[in-house]
Amino acid sequence: EAQLVESGGDLVQPGGSLRLSCTVSGFTFSSSDMTWVRQAPGRGLEWVSYISSSSSVIYYADSVKGRFTITRDNAKKSLYLELNSLRAEDTAVYYCARRQGSPAPGYIYYYLDVWGEGTTVTVSS
Amino acid sequence: AIQMTQSPSSLSASVGDRVTITCRASQDIRNDLGWYQQKPGKAPKVLIYATSNLHSGVPSRFSGSGSGTDFTLTITSLQPEDFATYYCLQDYDYPWTFGQGTRVEF
Repeated sequence: EAQLVESGGDLVQPGGSLRLSCTVSGFTFSSSDMTWVRQAPGRGLEWVSYISSSSSVIYYADSVKGRFTITRDNAKKSLYLELNSLRAEDTAVYYCARRQGSPAPGYIYYYLDVWGEGTTVTVSS
Repeated sequence: AIQMTQSPSSLSASVGDRVTITCRASQDIRNDLGWYQQKPGKAPKVLIYATSNLHSGVPSRFSGSGSGTDFTLTITSLQPEDFATYYCLQDYDYPWTFGQGTRVEF
């Protein structure tokens, strides 16, 4: 069974840094594209970042570009999100999720099929 | 970034009701839209991808339709376990964007 487990969430002061981890099991991590999604308290879902299986393609939401860095270590079956220059509005539950592809004639449809349970980041003084 | 406008933001329904949730994209996203269900304190789960493809294990009372800019999630006969919040997600272009969510409550 595919599983994702996030860790690293904590209470941090504004301007501080944090590193989130997502450890996977039950599937071939090295061939899987991965994403981070977050959810502020009482708010909706926000897509944060994407990294391809080989780390060759990376995208960020505008709200975190230049402050957050997504990386992965395929040998350790782990995904990471480095959070810097943290702001109060970064307070959220952070989920890692696998991007799955479904082939169609001449196209591939994508969706997020496996999610972790999330890790909580609180930015407050 | 592509904006996704989801409506309604909440709705009241009863077991057995037919429920419809809509999502409108700010530009043509072809069929690159999925629907996700989230229950309080839990991670989201995918219901539908590519507008109308039911994810494995999802009950057939869930269905999706649309293309281009307008999309719909339909639950034909609401069950007690369906009371949750539903989100659309466009995966046509990065950054991916979610709709604001629709809370389905009793």
